[in-house]
Amino acid sequence: DADVTQTPRNRITKTGKRIMLECSQTKGHDRMYWYRQDPGLGLQLIYYSFDVKDINKGEISDGYSVSRQAQAKFSLSLESAIPNQTALYFCATSDPSGTGNEQFFGPGTRLTVL
Amino acid sequence: QQQVKQSPQSLIVQKGGISIINCAYENTAFDYFPWYQQFPGKGPALLIAIRPDVSEKKEGRFTISFNKSAKQFSLHIMDSQPGDSATYFCAAVQEGPWAGNMLTFGGGTRLMVKP
Repeated sequence: DADVTQTPRNRITKTGKRIMLECSQTKGHDRMYWYRQDPGLGLQLIYYSFDVKDINKGEISDGYSVSRQAQAKFSLSLESAIPNQTALYFCATSDPSGTGNEQFFGPGTRLTVL
Repeated sequence: QQQVKQSPQSLIVQKGGISIINCAYENTAFDYFPWYQQFPGKGPALLIAIRPDVSEKKEGRFTISFNKSAKQFSLHIMDSQPGDSATYFCAAVQEGPWAGNMLTFGGGTRLMVKP
């Protein structure tokens, strides 16, 4: 019963396809984040949301879009996938009023774009 | 330009040895420095963190050393164990109600502890 879940865990797709990655959380946190992880580059922020009505671009938002359907759900879409979007994608949550700066990460989605 | 630079990219240590991972940052507005640990197939998880008002923080076998003037901080793992084999990320945060807990990550260090 993980607090932050991501679906799918693995996905292989072709160039030009639309892909949606989903994130759900049971932590009750308002803040949610999407990161991508590439070897040697650490985690780079794609988008973040401080509440249901708030969406902000991160450092690498080009080619991505997001939707915050509810406090517990934050989806990442690739409208037209390209091979250099092959990466590990992580969703995270935080609660500054509770656990401060700590972010809680999901298990990740491994995406391969052929 | 990476605001937080981490080295080395990979590290092999014998069981019982000391693992040392270094990070350097650019932005002097950073005021919270966490380390995250990531096991294969898992997301990163907070390991230990420090604020710049202290030069060292220790939790069990894990110690952060912080040098504010040099804008550097490091993670030391004493008596390294095979179970410590993981990827370690340093990060930096600029705190404040408007800052949003934004983590700036280093590039990661893959640690392998040999039995």
